[in-house]
Parts: sequence; C-alpha cells; structure tokens
Amino acid sequence: DIQMTQSPSSLSASVGDRVTITCRASQSISNYLNWYQQKPGKAPKLLIYGASSLQSGIPSRFSGSGSETDFTLTISSLQPEDFSTYYCQQTYSNPLTFGGGTKVEIK
Amino acid sequence: EVQLVESGGGLVQPGGSLRLSCAASGFSFSKYGMSWVRQAPGKGLEWVSSITGSGGSTAYADSVKGRFTISRDNSKNTLYLQTNSLRAEDTAVYYCAKYLGTSETSYRTFDYWGQGTLVTVSS
Repeated sequence: DIQMTQSPSSLSASVGDRVTITCRASQSISNYLNWYQQKPGKAPKLLIYGASSLQSGIPSRFSGSGSETDFTLTISSLQPEDFSTYYCQQTYSNPLTFGGGTKVEIK
Repeated sequence: EVQLVESGGGLVQPGGSLRLSCAASGFSFSKYGMSWVRQAPGKGLEWVSSITGSGGSTAYADSVKGRFTISRDNSKNTLYLQTNSLRAEDTAVYYCAKYLGTSETSYRTFDYWGQGTLVTVSS
C-alpha cells in the first residue's frame, strides 16, 4: 500500500498569511495526487486534482504543485473561510489512501 | 445539480449487518465510478470500496474485504454497500462519492460527496 504522510499535522496562521502544506508518498505516484478541504461535520470538498489542476469553482488562491513523491498545497492569502482540515489523496493505485490531515487554525 | 443522499446507517450490534444506500441525481449515474469512504469519529478519511460505472469491476480495502459488498443499480441511480460481520472499528460516518471523470487523473478522484450516514457498532 502507498502511505501518504502530511506535514504539519496542524498549524496556526493569520488571515492574509501564505500557508503551505506538504504531502509525501511512500513511492512514486506521478501526478496522481488530490487535495480536499473538510470543515467540521461536513463532507470533504475537492480543491486540486492531478497535483496541480484547480477544481471548478475553487478560488485561485489555492494551488498545488509537485510530482513523484513530494507535493505541496499552497494557500496564497488565507481567508477566514479557509480554516479547515486538509487531506491529500493518492489515486495511483488501489487501495486509495489519504494523508492524515492538516488542521489549519486561527492564530 | 448533482446530489448524493446516503441512508441506512444506524446502531447495530457487533456481528450484525446493515445495507447503506446512496441515491444519486443530477448526472448520468451509469457513466461514473463511485466509491464509499468512511471517517471514524475524530479521525481521518479511509477509502472503503469502489465500483465502475457498469458495475463490472469492484475494489475493497483490506479492512473490509470479505465482509462488505459494493453494488449499484443503474436503473434506480442508486449505490449500495452491504456491510456484514460488523466490528466496533467499523463505527464511522460513511460517505458515498462520485468520480470526477474517466481520464487518468480524474479517475478515482471524488468531486461530489454525500452528507454521510453514521454507522455505530456497539453492544
């Protein structure tokens, strides 16, 4: 199974900050990497797919980069509605696996 | 508008069974793969099972293989998850999710999710 490791597991940031979350795969997954945002009590929302493609309707302050084993989600200017938990997911092979999540909290 | 509505969750004793359903609308259901993803209370996301649009191919996480069965009825636009021999560690919110598409990076990428149905396994 491909293990997905996210870091940090949590972070505190202020509105307007640039935030970066990393995800590392235990083996090469090319660009088969997605990012989701989840708010408490809600279903996850797709932000980025294929490592860098912005899902329709998602603000351009979200961006993704990386390939093979190392990936990054960047929020260029953190907004109040962005305080959430973020998950990466690999779709390279079954079993599909998610990272452990990164909780973004208000400083 | 795409909608996915899960039902069938509840409280069940260890060893019991439940059938979860996911009613889909707003898209051509038979053209898209679907999955079940679960989330234990306070924990992260765990993929459970997937099925192709035709229903001809399925896949399962090792943790549920042999106990859970995914299926779909394209005439009813409904996805199912039959859960048997339930254990305490199966307690979770179960989400159904739709594949984004059929291209390489959109396959097994989830663009729409239901609201979830809670399964609690306890005596």
